[in-house]
This record gives sequence, C-alpha cells and structure tokens, in this order.
Amino acid sequence: SAVISQKPSRDICQRGTSLTIQCQVDSQVTMMFWYRQQPGQSLTLIATANQGSEATYESGFVIDKFPISRPNLTFSTLTVSNMSPEDSSIYLCSVGVSNEKLFFGSGTQLSVL
Amino acid sequence: GESVGLHLPTLSVQEGDNSIINCAYSNSASDYFIWYKQESGKGPQFIIDIRSNMDKRQGQRVTVLLNKTVKHLSLQIAATQPGDSAVYFCAESLFSGGYNKLIFGAGTRLAVHP
Repeated sequence: SAVISQKPSRDICQRGTSLTIQCQVDSQVTMMFWYRQQPGQSLTLIATANQGSEATYESGFVIDKFPISRPNLTFSTLTVSNMSPEDSSIYLCSVGVSNEKLFFGSGTQLSVL
Repeated sequence: GESVGLHLPTLSVQEGDNSIINCAYSNSASDYFIWYKQESGKGPQFIIDIRSNMDKRQGQRVTVLLNKTVKHLSLQIAATQPGDSAVYFCAESLFSGGYNKLIFGAGTRLAVHP
C-alpha cells in the first residue's frame, strides 16, 4: 500500500481565483492520477501524471484549466484555475501500486462561491 | 465529504443481514475489477479485487462475483455491521494510452440499521 497526504483538505475560494492542491506519497511511484468527484456522484478521471513528462488529460479536461506538475516520483500538484461554482467538488489524488490497484488520498473538498 | 452519496441509489439493510451491491461495467475488454468503500470525508478505500479469469473471489466477510457474459459485478457483504455504512464503487481497469486506468461506476450507498 501507499500513504498519500493531500493538502489542503478543504478550502472555500472566490470565483475567478485559482487553487493548487498538493499530493505527497510516502514511496516512489510511477503513476499518479487525479480524480474529481462532484457532489453526490462517482469519481471521474481528470488526468494521469508521470514524472518527467506532460500529464495526459481525459476527454473534457484541459491543461489550461487543470495544470498539473509532477517534479519527482513522490509529489504532484493539481491547480484548479479561474474557478467557478461548477468547480465545487472533491479532488482526489491516487497512486498506482502494482500498476493497476489505486490507493487514494483523503481528497480536497473545494467550494467556490 | 458530507456530499458524497446524497444522490446515489441507497441499499438499506438490517444489522446482521447479508448485503448485495450490484454493478454493471461497460467495457468487455476490461480484465481487472476493484470494489472500493468510501466513508464520509475520506477517499475511497480498497476492499477486494478480481481478475477476469475468475468468477468469484472471497475476502474477510466480502465476496466479489463476476459475470463476464452480462458484464456484471457484485459485492456481497456477510453479517453487515454499522461500520459497513458507506458508499461503494466498482471500478474497471482499462488499458489505454500505454497504461492502465480505473473507470468508476456510479456507486451505491449502503445504510445499515440497528
């Protein structure tokens, strides 16, 4: 397994601002994934972040809105840019262990006013 | 975290009964499946997994059944306890773009009553 620390755990932000979410893992991992969980819904994959390369985004998500950094094998950030109330969600960082099984952080509860 | 599960289908069971949570997956090429449990304010927690070359796998108080013919997955929880109350998600592993990624199902909220 892996221990994943995500910061902040929650935040309330104003419309038009940006928030950067940090994800720290206690071991080196190749694959890190960012998910969004809108209120009352399931998890949707935003992008996959590999160290040393640009993130791969899923359909409906773009780099300008959700820039991702992956500077090393234990850390990643996701920025939610130019926020609107529709961005209010839980954002979850996850890491792949044994390639397929994912472990998740506790998430960042974001509310945009 | 309190917003998780508000609009999801709910399964209500009595403490001590067995629970069965069902899931339909979409891709016949998926060869690996996982069940996750998500409690309020927490990230999803791994429960049990199964590969497509199996049709049943048992863990502690949990059993996963896989029917590839109809692309159906179920999670059985024996002797359900109040601590089992949570939202449960199935996920299928898809190989795309050179790596595996997990696609999550809609989720079911399990409510256990004393």
